[in-house]
Amino acid sequence: AQKITQTQPGMFVQEKEAVTLDCTYDTSDQSYGLFWYKQPSSGEMIFLIYQGSYDEQNATEGRYSLNFQKARKSANLVISASQLGDSAMYFCAMREVYSGGGADGLTFGKGTHLIIQP
Amino acid sequence: GAVVSQHPSRVICKSGTSVKIECRSLDFQATTMFWYRQFPKQSLMLMATSNEGSKATYEQGVEKDKFLINHASLTLSTLTVTSAHPEDSSFYICSASPWGQQTFGAGSRLTVL
Repeated sequence: AQKITQTQPGMFVQEKEAVTLDCTYDTSDQSYGLFWYKQPSSGEMIFLIYQGSYDEQNATEGRYSLNFQKARKSANLVISASQLGDSAMYFCAMREVYSGGGADGLTFGKGTHLIIQP
Repeated sequence: GAVVSQHPSRVICKSGTSVKIECRSLDFQATTMFWYRQFPKQSLMLMATSNEGSKATYEQGVEKDKFLINHASLTLSTLTVTSAHPEDSSFYICSASPWGQQTFGAGSRLTVL
């Protein structure tokens, strides 16, 4: 079974500062994918970044980067130069990846409510 | 990019009625779609995996007869909440995975009176 742990229920950050959202995971799978999603108050799930378990380099997407430490089973999200529009719920998620290209549904953490203050 | 459309976005119904929610992949084919449920201030929980042309796979604790899933084509999956009760009120959201990442629909907020 897979498990995602997000230990920060809420965070307040000053605008323009960098912020790190913690995520640790537990799985017995050898091949898996890690995801971060942003969920604003509207409810939509916005994909931010993806890291495959066999990717040697940390993923980056614009202001988002994923600090992947496989031995520690952590996949923290780093947002650089935070903006007021970054205020939202952030979810870490994972799933097993199959060699044939198929995949299971996602297992989500409980989320972190990030509030950016001006 | 891949787009998943979900309809309706909001629905209010009386207790005992059935409600159907549609999930469509607009620009790709999806042999597999996923249905999640999110209660207020909680995380998303996978309910079931919808498979085109075959039966859905339900997660432990999800009632198959309560949440009927039909995936009749490569672009459409439907979730029917049968005989809905107030405890079924929740945010239901679907996703599909054209490649690697999962793309989510905008979600459907169900309120059962």
